Amino acid sequence: AQSVTQLDSQVPVFEEAPVELRCNYSSSVSVYLFWYVQYPNQGLQLLLKYLSGSTLVKGINGFEAEFNKSQTSFHLRKPSVHISDTAEYFCAVSEGFTGRRALTFGSGTRLQVQP
Amino acid sequence: DVKVTQSSRYLVKRTGEKVFLECVQDMDHENMFWYRQDPGLGLRLIYFSYDVKMKEKGDIPEGYSVSREKKERFSLILESASTNQTSMYLCASSLSTRSYEQYFGPGTRLTVT
Repeated sequence: AQSVTQLDSQVPVFEEAPVELRCNYSSSVSVYLFWYVQYPNQGLQLLLKYLSGSTLVKGINGFEAEFNKSQTSFHLRKPSVHISDTAEYFCAVSEGFTGRRALTFGSGTRLQVQP
Repeated sequence: DVKVTQSSRYLVKRTGEKVFLECVQDMDHENMFWYRQDPGLGLRLIYFSYDVKMKEKGDIPEGYSVSREKKERFSLILESASTNQTSMYLCASSLSTRSYEQYFGPGTRLTVT
């Protein structure tokens, strides 16, 4: 069975500072990886995804993530955050096309950008 | 743009009531999903459906059932609501088996008193 661990439940950061949100997964098969963002009182929106190819994936709003197979990680980064990035971020994994079609989510990381 | 809508944003029900949560998507997606979201637990899969009248249990199906009579509509049913089912419920859809990107509705915050 697959699982996702987001090590930090909350990450406070000052505006214009860099940020990294950590995600580790476990799975016995190859995986597809995702980061979703949830703004207050809204549903989830896809930030970026890794299906295959380059391990550095660029997403919307200046975010990027790097897939590291040996460390089973998919950390999310942004070089300079804005107040509007304040939200909850979820890492998710799917066990490729041979596995079940649903996603397994981590517990979420709340990013709090302070002025 | 894909649009996933949920019938209510906020719902308050009493213990023992039968509760229906409705979800509609407008992009002819094959797959639909119901999750519940609780603080510190992330999203947990309740049920999903990959075709009309087809359903599969997720990780926490106890106390829930689902119905998919039409491709665009996926209903979550709480047969007898209990206070531990107070939660945020999120519906999602994805295009097909080979498409893993899921599109989410705004959620329904259900309170059972």
